[in-house]
Amino acid sequence: DAKTTQPPSMDCAEGRAANLPCNHSTISGNEYVYWYRQIHSQGPQYIIHGLKNNETNEMASLIITEDRKSSTLILPHATLRDTAVYYCIASREALTFGSGTRLQVQP
Amino acid sequence: DTAVSQTPKYLVTQMGNDKSIKCEQNLGHDTMYWYKQDSKKFLKIMFSYNNKELIINETVPNRFSPKSPDKAHLNLHINSLELGDSAVYFCASSQEGPPPDSPLHFGNGTRLTVT
Repeated sequence: DAKTTQPPSMDCAEGRAANLPCNHSTISGNEYVYWYRQIHSQGPQYIIHGLKNNETNEMASLIITEDRKSSTLILPHATLRDTAVYYCIASREALTFGSGTRLQVQP
Repeated sequence: DTAVSQTPKYLVTQMGNDKSIKCEQNLGHDTMYWYKQDSKKFLKIMFSYNNKELIINETVPNRFSPKSPDKAHLNLHINSLELGDSAVYFCASSQEGPPPDSPLHFGNGTRLTVT
């Protein structure tokens, strides 16, 4: 199973872009990269996923390197409501979530 | 419209009691899961059902027994509750899987406190 590593915490100013990195150097060719977030003690919320190509939806953009060993989740205009723990997961690892990155959006 | 709903939201009980947590999804998904989030905030899979069939059963004490009456429901029964069972339990569903090659949709959790 692919392991992912993320920084434990990050800060971002409100209105600025938040770029959350993730390393998944052992990801296999058919494993998707998924991003979820957990706001306070709510259930995790799906954000976006991708395989090889960059992806964008109404919530965020996902940039995956050509070698697929790392990715970046981009929240283009962070708001206070984006303060949460963000989890990066390779699909076969989605059975257990790691410790994620705690993003604090500052006013 | 709540996609994945769990009841109760909070559950406080004494050691040795038996309790149940219910989960329902209205997404038409084939697979449902139970996750446990402990005090260190790690989310770990406990069980997974696909179309009422048990697919994943991680190393969980047999005091925990999932029951799926139909593919829209997955309930969790816990017998002889222990202090270490205190945690937040999340139900989730996905269109495919496991492993879930489609996004997981989570409920808002049940906070179980055993005293």
